[in-house]
Amino acid sequence: GDSVTQMEGPVTLSEEAFLTINCTYTATGYPSLFWYVQYPGEGLQLLLKATKADDKGSNKGFEATYRKETTSFHLEKGSVQVSDSAVYFCALSDFGRGADGLTFGKGTHLIIQP
Amino acid sequence: NAGVTQTPKFQVLKTGQSMTLQCAQDMNHNSMYWYRQDPGMGLRLIYYSASEGTTDKGEVPNGYNVSRLNKREFSLRLESAAPSQTSVYFCASTGQQGGVQPQHFGDGTRLSIL
Repeated sequence: GDSVTQMEGPVTLSEEAFLTINCTYTATGYPSLFWYVQYPGEGLQLLLKATKADDKGSNKGFEATYRKETTSFHLEKGSVQVSDSAVYFCALSDFGRGADGLTFGKGTHLIIQP
Repeated sequence: NAGVTQTPKFQVLKTGQSMTLQCAQDMNHNSMYWYRQDPGMGLRLIYYSASEGTTDKGEVPNGYNVSRLNKREFSLRLESAAPSQTSVYFCASTGQQGGVQPQHFGDGTRLSIL
């Protein structure tokens, strides 16, 4: 079946550091890829998405590129802020396999220290 | 700006009790979903409803039932709660299946089974 693997945290960085959170996937079809962010006590919010190979999703300084050849969708940000502290989830939607819903990674807890 | 509303936000049950978690969306979305979030596991799909009048099992449906009451509302029922069902439950909705449009999440219901 489909699966998503992402680096497990917590990941602790200093403010203004460069961020990379790795995400790789396996899918039977041709999935759409997402990054969601979850702040304490809240639901998940879409951060960015990409629906086909070589697409780059971007939002709030975060970027991720859909790499079909390496089955990856790594999240990057050039300069993190304390307000970026949250849990980040990589996810895929593989509707072509005949079922709906998102398949999530386990989440990466990011902590940014001032 | 209500989006997806879940009730209750918190609940404590005893083993064997029953309970219904409520979810409503005001975005005129066709598809709705129930996920559970457990530590170190990410989110896993319990059930989904592609449209009013239809429901399908997700990855972890055992011990749950759902009802798509109308286009707005999608409820999740635990008939005989077990400690293994202690979790945070999220409802989500999207306008179109297949991952083309992102899912919008509620803030979650934190459920403890004693």
